[in-house]
Amino acid sequence: GNSVTQMEGPVTLSEEAFLTINCTYTATGYPSLFWYVQYPGEGLQLLLKATKADDKGSNKGFEATYRKETTSFHLEKGSVQVSDSAVYFCALTPSGSARQLTFGSGTQLTVLP
Amino acid sequence: NAGVTQTPKFQVLKTGQSMTLQCAQDMNHNSMYWYRQDPGMGLRLIYYSASEGTTDKGEVPNGYNVSRLNKREFSLRLESAAPSQTSVYFCASITGTSGKLYNEQFFGPGTRLTVL
Repeated sequence: GNSVTQMEGPVTLSEEAFLTINCTYTATGYPSLFWYVQYPGEGLQLLLKATKADDKGSNKGFEATYRKETTSFHLEKGSVQVSDSAVYFCALTPSGSARQLTFGSGTQLTVLP
Repeated sequence: NAGVTQTPKFQVLKTGQSMTLQCAQDMNHNSMYWYRQDPGMGLRLIYYSASEGTTDKGEVPNGYNVSRLNKREFSLRLESAAPSQTSVYFCASITGTSGKLYNEQFFGPGTRLTVL
């Protein structure tokens, strides 16, 4: 079946540090890949997405590139802010189905001033 | 436009009690979902409703029932709560328009349930 593996947290960084959160997946065909963010006390929000190989999703300074050869979709940001503190989830939908999301376990990020 | 709303925000139950979690969306979406979120396990799909009048089991349906009351509302019922059902429950909805490669799921703020 489909699965998503994320790097374990928690991750603690100082403001303006570089962020990488690793995500790899297992799925047949060409799934669509996503990063969702969950701020404290809130539901999940879509951060960025990529729907085909070599696509780069970007939003709010975050980026992730769909790498079919390594089945990866790592999240990066060049300079994190305190306001980026949240839980980040990598997720996929399988080929041909726009509706079923499979999530990774989530990575808690804390950014210190 | 409130998006996806859930009630209640918090609930404490005793083992064996029953309750219904309510979810409503005002975006005219076709598909709705119930997830549970547990530490270290991400979100797991309990049930979903691809369209009004249909429901299907997800990854972890045991101990739950759902009702798609109308296009707006999708409720989750625990008939006899167990401590293993202590979790945060999220409702989500999606346009589900056929032919589109992807539609974003919109999530509610969650219900934190504790079963003693």
